[in-house]
Amino acid sequence: QLQLQESGPGLVKPSETLSLTCSVSGGSVNSSGFFWGWLRQPPGKGLDFIGTMHYSGAGYYNPSYESRITVSVDASRNQFSLKLTSVTVADTAVYFCARRSAAGGELDVWGQGTSVTVSS
Amino acid sequence: QSALTQPASVSGSPGQSITISCTGTSGDIGNYNYVSWYQQYPGKAPKLLIYEVTKRPSGVSNRFSGSKSGNTASLAISGLQPEDEADYYCSSYRTTSILEVFGTGTTVIVL
Repeated sequence: QLQLQESGPGLVKPSETLSLTCSVSGGSVNSSGFFWGWLRQPPGKGLDFIGTMHYSGAGYYNPSYESRITVSVDASRNQFSLKLTSVTVADTAVYFCARRSAAGGELDVWGQGTSVTVSS
Repeated sequence: QSALTQPASVSGSPGQSITISCTGTSGDIGNYNYVSWYQQYPGKAPKLLIYEVTKRPSGVSNRFSGSKSGNTASLAISGLQPEDEADYYCSSYRTTSILEVFGTGTTVIVL
């Protein structure tokens, strides 16, 4: 059974870069039928799709973040990552990694989420 | 990018049926059958309930069903149970963003 697990710092200073990793177990990031993505949920708010990447290098980013984000897939480690630069307090949220179907776009497997606070 | 519109809350008594609406535009729900629904308990990750408008993943109760008419998608929950009390989000592919966009979220309250 595929499982995803986020890891990374829980506290980041303003203007710094947030780096998160999602480790994949019970399956491979080299699956052609899936993308690997990052979403976030600010406290008390809804879900927001940040970006998604296929192991082949094809990817899509939310235009709201596009200049600040990089999503990458590391097949050798069976994991994928998110980098978000120049963070502000508005980037405080729970960040989720998820598997996205290439066919229908549904997010069928999710990590448990990791809370990130941006504060000096 | 603007979110899809959902009612803030929907309530019902145990055993009743309820419906949650999700309104978009011709640029998303109206022209694509890529609507999904997710259930989220407080402090937990969302769980996929419905995909491609009407399909249920293995293991999801058949009390949950999806449909679409025009620019509005709907999630129906029949035989409402206390454990259905959670937040529900719709999502849809949108032409202008390529990525899926989410609804504003609906809290289901079991009276």
